[in-house]
Amino acid sequence: SQQGEEDPQALSIQEGENATMNCSYKTSINNLQWYRQNSGRGLVHLILIRSNEREKHSGRLRVTLDTSKKSSSLLITASRAADTASYFCATDSYNNNDMRFGAGTRLTVKP
Amino acid sequence: EADIYQTPRYLVIGTGKKITLECSQTMGHDKMYWYQQDPGMELHLIHYSYGVNSTEKGDLSSESTVSRIRTEHFPLTLESARPSHTSQYLCASSVGRQPQHFGDGTRLSIL
Repeated sequence: SQQGEEDPQALSIQEGENATMNCSYKTSINNLQWYRQNSGRGLVHLILIRSNEREKHSGRLRVTLDTSKKSSSLLITASRAADTASYFCATDSYNNNDMRFGAGTRLTVKP
Repeated sequence: EADIYQTPRYLVIGTGKKITLECSQTMGHDKMYWYQQDPGMELHLIHYSYGVNSTEKGDLSSESTVSRIRTEHFPLTLESARPSHTSQYLCASSVGRQPQHFGDGTRLSIL
C-alpha cells in the first residue's frame, strides 16, 4: 500500500530556479528517503533522513522532516536541465522493514 | 552505480508464453525486491525476499512467482503472460535498513 504522497505531481521550472517537492505520509516512520528516477531507468537513492532529524543537506539538495505533520520536503537549489527526472519519497516504518514509495513528482527543468 | 543487473531490458512477447525476468546483484545483500511500475506512476511491491529460501508476496497481487535459491539471484516468472502484465518491472536489493539499490528494469510488453 502506498505510504508517501508527493506534491505536486508535476513541476516545471527554468534552469537556475529552486525546486521544492513535498511528501506526506500516514504512519510513524523510522526513516524517510528520497529517490530519483530518470526516464526508463531504475531509482537512485539521493538522501536519507532519520525520524529524529529535522534537516539534512547533500550538495544542492536539502531535505526537511516534520514528524508532527508527517511531512517532508526536498529542495533542489540552482536547478539544472540534468535534474529533470521523477522524484520519489519512501518511508520505512518501525514495524515494517519494507519501504513504501509514493507516486512521485515529475520535475522538468527547462534550459 | 550499484551492482544490480536486470535482463532483459526490453521484452515483447505473445500471450500465453512463459517468461522469466532475471535479477542479479553482486553486493551480497540479503534483501531483494520486485516492483511493478506503469509509466509515470508509483511503484508497487509485488514480491520480496529476506534471504535464501525466503520469499513473500507484496502489497500488489501478482500472478508472478519468485525464487531465491542463491543470495545473488532473484528471478521472477510469469507462467502464462497476458496483456495485463504489460508494465515495467524493477528489481532492488538492500541490507538491513539501508537504502535500496535498483536495477534499470525490464520493460515488458505482452501482445
